[in-house]
Amino acid sequence: DSGVTQTPKHLITATGQRVTLRCSPRSGDLSVYWYQQSLDQGLQFLIQYYNGEERAKGNILERFSAQQFPDLHSELNLSSLELGDSALYFCASSVTGLTGELFFGEGSRLTVL
Amino acid sequence: QQQVKQSPQSLIVQKGGISIINCAYENTAFDYFPWYQQFPGKGPALLIAIRPDVSEKKEGRFTISFNKSAKQFSLHIMDSQPGDSATYFCAASGGSQGNLIFGKGTKLSVKP
Repeated sequence: DSGVTQTPKHLITATGQRVTLRCSPRSGDLSVYWYQQSLDQGLQFLIQYYNGEERAKGNILERFSAQQFPDLHSELNLSSLELGDSALYFCASSVTGLTGELFFGEGSRLTVL
Repeated sequence: QQQVKQSPQSLIVQKGGISIINCAYENTAFDYFPWYQQFPGKGPALLIAIRPDVSEKKEGRFTISFNKSAKQFSLHIMDSQPGDSATYFCAASGGSQGNLIFGKGTKLSVKP
């Protein structure tokens, strides 16, 4: 158990809909990262937050947004969903947000029908 | 994004054999090179990591070899066991950014 909690574990929705994925980092970790894992693209970095502020942005679509709240939990919002958004979404956390170990949750599997 | 290229995509090894997975990177600012192990239905978990000031790091049956001039690093799994069957990802990060850039993964199957 990494100590990173993600909900929901599974989510099935329809195209055009909006969903919110939630992540609670390990106790004491200030930085949260979101990754998308699909079969053909591997683990793609989406976005990083550190202590409530956006620190780095990767291949995140404009239809996606995220935020980190004062209690350090984070939410990833996915809107106008398309079939291609079906994937595993992982949250990871780290203490400093600098180079070093990331601790991953078990992921949220999104299926868009 | 700067790429990390990983090979092979899949690997089948007999029990007791050596598994070797290779990665190459582009960005010379990278200063942290971990390997993550992922089992089905689970998130990736850190297996072993290296920084560029050393050429090799060993932890039990797992060894990272690092070649800074070639911008390559590899994972060697000695005495491979069926329980090692998983997907392995190399990754890199560096500078002031903690986000990891991952290779596309290698699915390892160790046959009994």
